[in-house]
Amino acid sequence: QSVLTQPPSVSGAPGQRVTISCTGSSSNLGAGYDVHWYQQLPGTAPKLLISRSTNRPSGVPDRFSGSKSGTSASLAITGLQAEDEADYYCQSYDSSLSGVVFGGGTKLTVL
Amino acid sequence: QIQLVQSGGEVKKPGASVQISCKASGYTFSSYDISWVRQAPGQGLEWVGWISVYSGKTNYARRLQGRVTMTTDRSTDTVYMELRTLRSDDTAVYYCGRGGYMTGYDYWGQGTLVTVSS
Repeated sequence: QSVLTQPPSVSGAPGQRVTISCTGSSSNLGAGYDVHWYQQLPGTAPKLLISRSTNRPSGVPDRFSGSKSGTSASLAITGLQAEDEADYYCQSYDSSLSGVVFGGGTKLTVL
Repeated sequence: QIQLVQSGGEVKKPGASVQISCKASGYTFSSYDISWVRQAPGQGLEWVGWISVYSGKTNYARRLQGRVTMTTDRSTDTVYMELRTLRSDDTAVYYCGRGGYMTGYDYWGQGTLVTVSS
């Protein structure tokens, strides 16, 4: 059971908008720690998509956006493309565990 | 360009130790932390630990404390992760990533598969 909870899967048709939620608690997201989002294509290392809850690193398309409020965060992907099909993970820091925690991951399927 | 290059795959027997290296290039090595993350076959990401390249300070995942050690060699811009008393559930791809919990990991190594099997 992951400290950060994500839906196991989401899906959408090309061009649509999808969101992936990440739910934490008072010792991580609710304590004010930022969330980071990663995209992992099969057989490859994760790629940083969103840093510090809302910031897109250079080179990440603006179709990807992040938000955070209280104990929850979300990753939104607009204009869905076939190449977006991947696993997505959220990450934060947990003060009770004194360490970094990941969500269990969400598999995005582009229909 | 910025790169993190990891050492090759390893096959170990239960109870043995493994050391993986992560060599950085393309940036000022001491200016960024290095973190380690592992991924068991078909599973999600699990944080292993973090080292401040500047100070040598470390923080390890609680479930691995006592079995894991991270060190740096600033003469070769390399970070090492040693995991001891290996068990079958340590079988995973181990990744190094540049950064810490505040920034996320903006560059990653290619991954090192560690297989623990008798």
